[in-house]
Amino acid sequence: EAGVVQSPRYKIIEKKQPVAFWCNPISGHNTLYWYLQNLGQGPELLIRYENEEAVDDSQLPKDRFSAERLKGVDSTLKIQPAELGDSAVYLCASSLKGPGTGSNETQYFGPGTRLLVL
Amino acid sequence: GQQVMQIPQYQHVQEGEDFTTYCNSSTTLSNIQWYKQRPGGHPVFLIQLVKSGEVKKQKRLTFQFGEAKKNSSLHITATQTTDVGTYFCAGKTFSGGYNKLIFGAGTRLAVHP
Repeated sequence: EAGVVQSPRYKIIEKKQPVAFWCNPISGHNTLYWYLQNLGQGPELLIRYENEEAVDDSQLPKDRFSAERLKGVDSTLKIQPAELGDSAVYLCASSLKGPGTGSNETQYFGPGTRLLVL
Repeated sequence: GQQVMQIPQYQHVQEGEDFTTYCNSSTTLSNIQWYKQRPGGHPVFLIQLVKSGEVKKQKRLTFQFGEAKKNSSLHITATQTTDVGTYFCAGKTFSGGYNKLIFGAGTRLAVHP
């Protein structure tokens, strides 16, 4: 079974330029997450989708970040315009949400996109 | 806001020594998950603990969830070089109308042969 696929793996851009990241979750996983991971830190949630609905985007800086998950499968995360402080690893993860709040929603992470803003 | 704190930040051990990382939450958690991230890699799920006082073992790894469901620990017995990486705890809690998984900053383990 293929894991979570992300592209590109690396991206170098100049500040104020736009950038987009793509994620293909594990087949059948209804929940998709975008995380930001700074060096030496744990992942921080940006947005969570259940199917095509963004159910938690409270941590997404909406002035410059946007995301979409058309048809509830693939997802893209966009930054426009990028700032120096956006340099980080952007991780996509997916899980299969079961019934109840105690269900094991193991998150499977993709390899991430390492963004460097110059 | 809610925080999940992990200590220590770094740990250097000789191969064969034991290792423990501790995780503390400012609020009660519904469950806690542990992930391992190898250098240059991505987080990989290890285990989930749900019940108060729960203890689970995976070979040389022992995971514990505190009685108050606010703290957890991961203990590795007789470390090996393959244990190198960063270990993250992630606490699940209900906040602001959402179920959230909040990651700690991780403990980076270095094992010297």
